[in-house]
Amino acid sequence: AQSVTQLDSQVPVFEEAPVELRCNYSSSVSVYLFWYVQYPNQGLQLLLKYLSGSTLVESINGFEAEFNKSQTSFHLRKPSVHISDTAEYFCAVTFQGAQKLVFGQGTRLTINP
Amino acid sequence: ETGVTQSPTHLIKTRGQQVTLRCSSQSGHNTVSWYQQALGQGPQFIFQYYREEENGRGNFPPRFSGLQFPNYSSELNVNALELDDSALYLCASSLAGSLKETQYFGPGTRLLVL
Repeated sequence: AQSVTQLDSQVPVFEEAPVELRCNYSSSVSVYLFWYVQYPNQGLQLLLKYLSGSTLVESINGFEAEFNKSQTSFHLRKPSVHISDTAEYFCAVTFQGAQKLVFGQGTRLTINP
Repeated sequence: ETGVTQSPTHLIKTRGQQVTLRCSSQSGHNTVSWYQQALGQGPQFIFQYYREEENGRGNFPPRFSGLQFPNYSSELNVNALELDDSALYLCASSLAGSLKETQYFGPGTRLLVL
């Protein structure tokens, strides 16, 4: 079965520290990969996506993610986090031939001053 | 450009009642997908509509049904509400019906079933 696993349910870090949120997927077909962010009491906002081409993708607010096909991973990183990055982060995958996004369980990123 | 909008923002119903949630897609988008997000979990795919036809369905019972209108707006209907239907319901729109196209989400409707 095709699935997405976010290995950490919660990640606490100090402000200005680096962070990595891990995402692995299971699939026998081609995939497209996404990271969405959900701020408290809000819907999902697209952070970045990998469709094809360069395996390293970046967002406008300093996040980046790298598609690793051999390890079936799409980890999200930021070299220096800010208080405003506090949110829930969801990794999502679409599988070739499917109509839906499959989401991980989410990782709650908490930034401490 | 208008983003995805949903109404109402919050809703309280009792078990056994019926509910209709509404979604207006982003300008230029012709595909709408609905997701259920239970507390503390990731969103789960309910179904997708493309050009007014259902274009894929997740593991939800038939009491979850939908419509898409000629202007690409959409409704999600849930009959015979159960306590476990309490969740955030998210609508997402995209272009052309291919999941390679990015899905953009609305703010959601929070449903509480008592």
